[in-house]
Amino acid sequence: DAGITQSPRHKVTETGTPVTLRCHQTENHRYMYWYRQDPGHGLRLIHYSYGVKDTDKGEVSDGYSVSRSKTEDFLLTLESATSSQTSVYFCATQETGGEKLFFGSGTQLSVL
Amino acid sequence: GENVEQHPSTLSVQEGDSAVIKCTYSDSASNYFPWYKQELGKRPQLIIDIRSNVGEKKDQRIAVTLNKTAKHFSLHITETQPEDSAVYFCAARTSGGSYIPTFGRGTSLIVHP
Repeated sequence: DAGITQSPRHKVTETGTPVTLRCHQTENHRYMYWYRQDPGHGLRLIHYSYGVKDTDKGEVSDGYSVSRSKTEDFLLTLESATSSQTSVYFCATQETGGEKLFFGSGTQLSVL
Repeated sequence: GENVEQHPSTLSVQEGDSAVIKCTYSDSASNYFPWYKQELGKRPQLIIDIRSNVGEKKDQRIAVTLNKTAKHFSLHITETQPEDSAVYFCAARTSGGSYIPTFGRGTSLIVHP
């Protein structure tokens, strides 16, 4: 589906450790997004990117940072993971001028 | 910013019945309203969308209606089937600024055989 790969698919980590999630796309889409999905909250935007080295905060950005050094890769980092960051994380892409979002398969992160 | 409310949070129907999911939005400048379906354990995928210059759009058993005056839009599924069981998300996107849609909280649709 639009060549979007998220890694890892599952991760269990301990509170206080750093975690990096990777999103890789082969579609040359300009826009990339990180969402978290939690029961009762739907899809909430963490950070987004509108080009290489151009990123901005979403509605739930506290505790997260991102980087985009290449068009195809968008990294999400939890500097010091907390239990409240246990969630399913989805990456999505969108082409320039497009409206449809293409989602990756998600990463299930558990912070113990 | 945009705020999207979605109801109900859970909807249970019998196979063959119709299902309706409703969303309201706050920003009158919103002009694009997509619906995403997420099957259990899968990624969300776009199933239908509508733009503000159209009042209704159909695609086989699904349809979306838009009332700009009331700022609400709805997803209608007729002749529901067990494979329609999923979480459905509505979203709204404004005409200016970023292309980022704001999502509702989702509706879990359960179709009983």
